[in-house]
Amino acid sequence: AQSVTQLGSHVSVSEGALVLLRCNYSSSVPPYLFWYVQYPNQGLQLLLKYTTGATLVKGINGFEAEFKKSETSFHLTKPSAHMSDAAEYFCAVNRNRDDKIIFGKGTRLHILP
Amino acid sequence: DVKVTQSSRYLVKRTGEKVFLECVQDMDHENMFWYRQDPGLGLRLIYFSYDVKMKEKGDIPEGYSVSREKKERFSLILESASTNQTSMYLCASGYTDTQYFGPGTRLTVL
Repeated sequence: AQSVTQLGSHVSVSEGALVLLRCNYSSSVPPYLFWYVQYPNQGLQLLLKYTTGATLVKGINGFEAEFKKSETSFHLTKPSAHMSDAAEYFCAVNRNRDDKIIFGKGTRLHILP
Repeated sequence: DVKVTQSSRYLVKRTGEKVFLECVQDMDHENMFWYRQDPGLGLRLIYFSYDVKMKEKGDIPEGYSVSREKKERFSLILESASTNQTSMYLCASGYTDTQYFGPGTRLTVL
């Protein structure tokens, strides 16, 4: 069975500091991996995805993530946090590369002024 | 731009009522999904559909049913609403490597 673990249900960083949101997955085959963001009172929006090819993936709003097969990780980073990054972030894995996605429990990112 | 719309942003119903949540997408996607979102639990798949009149149970189908009579529309039905179904419901459509989400319906069952 596949699963996704997000470390930390709440993360706080100062404005301008590095953002690091951690995600580990378990999968029996090379998965598709995703990060979604949910701003208050909105649906989920795709930030970035890894399917094949380059393991460092760049997304919207300056975010990027690196697929590390040996560590079964797909951590999300941004060099400099902005107040507008405050949101809930979900890591997700595609189940056997079919159309069903398993989501992590989410990490709420707080930006401190 | 892909658009997924949901019929209501907020809904209040009473225990025992039959509840319909509607979702419409405009991108001709074959796959559509219904998720439930609860604090600390993330998103959990209720049902999905990969074609008109085709459906498959997700991880938490109990107490729910679905209907897909047209490709663009996917409905979630609560046959007899209960208080433990108070939650945020998210509809999505898309493919293996991308799903597009609607804004969600926050359902409160009293």
